[in-house]
Amino acid sequence: SQQGEEDPQALSIQEGENATMNCSYKTSINNLQWYRQNSGRGLVHLILIRSNEREKHSGRLRVTLDTSKKSSSLLITASRAADTASYFCATDAGDSSYKLIFGSGTRLLVRP
Amino acid sequence: DTEVTQTPKHLVMGMTNKKSLKCEQHMGHRAMYWYKQKAKKPPELMFVYSYEKLSINESVPSRFSPECPNSSLLNLHLHALQPEDSALYLCASSLSATRNIQYFGAGTRLSVL
Repeated sequence: SQQGEEDPQALSIQEGENATMNCSYKTSINNLQWYRQNSGRGLVHLILIRSNEREKHSGRLRVTLDTSKKSSSLLITASRAADTASYFCATDAGDSSYKLIFGSGTRLLVRP
Repeated sequence: DTEVTQTPKHLVMGMTNKKSLKCEQHMGHRAMYWYKQKAKKPPELMFVYSYEKLSINESVPSRFSPECPNSSLLNLHLHALQPEDSALYLCASSLSATRNIQYFGAGTRLSVL
């Protein structure tokens, strides 16, 4: 079953602009991750934020987590054409299972 | 080496064929996963192996049969598939359940005719 919903479903921006994607989930979690997928390829892990963290940075990426609202956001600053991809949030099932539950994804297009 | 290698990259098969997908990692990860992904959809978990034992089967039809011959290898045997099984099949691995950052292969694009 799909836990996470992401919005927007699709986002088109100009190179150099910032891109913000949002993820909502339903159950308690231990951590939340963001992955990127280039068209027809495998997913690449971007960043993990634990349930006791509120914000995390990695290069041009900034992730926030609000466990009271069960939501997270991914901000990509100074976007580049190479950032064009689909972005998925993923949560664990809140127990010790191996299961990651992926959100519906945001398709980002960065226009040169 | 942070690679998960999947073969073949593309596969076309008829509904009566038997084929296998292969996945390999040499990162010492003890959990390995199979996902199915349809176009413009998120990956859907199919199977999880932990320490070479099947720990999760997400009610996948028996025409998909996973196998974990050793800690580095994961196979997915396919038999009597349906056209709706056409999808991108992704393999992933992670260090363990609690360290669940997953590393994905590039996938096998499967077409069932």
